Amino acid sequence: DTGVSQDPRHKITKRGQNVTFRCDPISEHNRLYWYRQTLGQGPEFLTYFQNEAQLEKSRLLSDRFSAERPKGSFSTLEIQRTEQGDSAMYLCASSPDPSETVGNYNEQFFGPGTRLTVL
Amino acid sequence: QKEVEQDPGPLSVPEGAIVSLNCTYSNSAFQYFMWYRQYSRKGPELLMYTYSSGNKEDGRFTAQVDKSSKYISLFIRDSQPSDSATYLCAFKRGTNAGKSTFGDGTTLTVKP
Repeated sequence: DTGVSQDPRHKITKRGQNVTFRCDPISEHNRLYWYRQTLGQGPEFLTYFQNEAQLEKSRLLSDRFSAERPKGSFSTLEIQRTEQGDSAMYLCASSPDPSETVGNYNEQFFGPGTRLTVL
Repeated sequence: QKEVEQDPGPLSVPEGAIVSLNCTYSNSAFQYFMWYRQYSRKGPELLMYTYSSGNKEDGRFTAQVDKSSKYISLFIRDSQPSDSATYLCAFKRGTNAGKSTFGDGTTLTVKP
């Protein structure tokens, strides 16, 4: 049974560089979420997809951030022109559609995260 | 003002103690109330969720929701060293909502 996987687990980059992270959800899940978590804080929602459609984006997702899920399977999160304030753990989660669950609650299963350090 | 406020901790208790973790929220639209556990360098994992008000029990864990006071709690009975982790409350608007809103977490240490 494979859970949500993320790659890379750690990324160190210099300010101004572009970075891309990948998330592979649980195979039968059609929803995929991205969150960002900084030290001492809870995860903050960034965006989510249902299949390949990006249904919601947070105001936190500035123009430098873009997420895609081209075939409704894996997803990528790209950060352009990284800043030191982008240093954080980037978490991906997946869930089934609520209509496919008992009681309509669709649990989000989180991956291990990608830790980004911007120098 | 933040939508969710969580007792910051950290909390340190002896093994076997009863632990109480608490959050308040301001958004009346929240319908699902969740508790996650997060170990160091891992993603959060769901412990329990409650829909609307009331209590829910699962083994040593009990979740309580008081929508009138906008207050939720998680109680851990007979705490174990393996319960040592950060506990996050989280909230969701409804069945179809994508976004979950998290508290900042309370770090619990259970000493043997």
